[in-house]
Amino acid sequence: GENVEQHPSTLSVQEGDSAVIKCTYSDSASNYFPWYKQELGKRPQLIIDIRSNVGEKKDQRIAVTLNKTAKHFSLHITETQPEDSAVYFCAASIKGVRGNEKLTFGTGTRLTIIP
Amino acid sequence: GAGVSQSPSNKVTEKGKDVELRCDPISGHTALYWYRQRLGQGLEFLIYFQGNSAPDKSGLPSDRFSAERTGESVSTLTIQRTQQEDSAVYLCASSRQARETQYFGPGTRLLVL
Repeated sequence: GENVEQHPSTLSVQEGDSAVIKCTYSDSASNYFPWYKQELGKRPQLIIDIRSNVGEKKDQRIAVTLNKTAKHFSLHITETQPEDSAVYFCAASIKGVRGNEKLTFGTGTRLTIIP
Repeated sequence: GAGVSQSPSNKVTEKGKDVELRCDPISGHTALYWYRQRLGQGLEFLIYFQGNSAPDKSGLPSDRFSAERTGESVSTLTIQRTQQEDSAVYLCASSRQARETQYFGPGTRLLVL
């Protein structure tokens, strides 16, 4: 089955600087890569996603890049702010037996923005 | 509009007891997923429902775990004879269709003593 590795597990960044979180996946059939942000004690929230027919997607301060050949994808947050502090999860999907998006999640990155 | 809701928000039970967790998906969402999140870990897929089709149960860790969903409405996840290793947050998510964005509920924090 799919295996997703995520690095680093913790990341501290000065406010205003950029943060980059990287994930690798094992199943070349994966074609959908969402990123979720989870604040302490709260539910995961989708922040950005990318499908395998594009290499990069940007939404304001957040961008995701995908390299299908190398089977890795990254989350980039620019001009970081204190409210960006959270745990970020990457995920990769393969098509399940029922046609569903079967997400396999990384182990998360705890991002701390230092004021 | 209303998001995914789950109940109870917290559940403390004794080892060996059965528990039932409930998920109310977003109205109109045909796909529903259950995940487990152990402390400090990522999310583990448990089970998936799509309309009236047979569910994808490939993530259920043992036969003590089962889930039901009637049509496109409420789902319940049942854990029988709970063990301490079942302690985790159980998250439900729904999506409009099978391959669309999943929206998560707040989770049920289960503690097995």
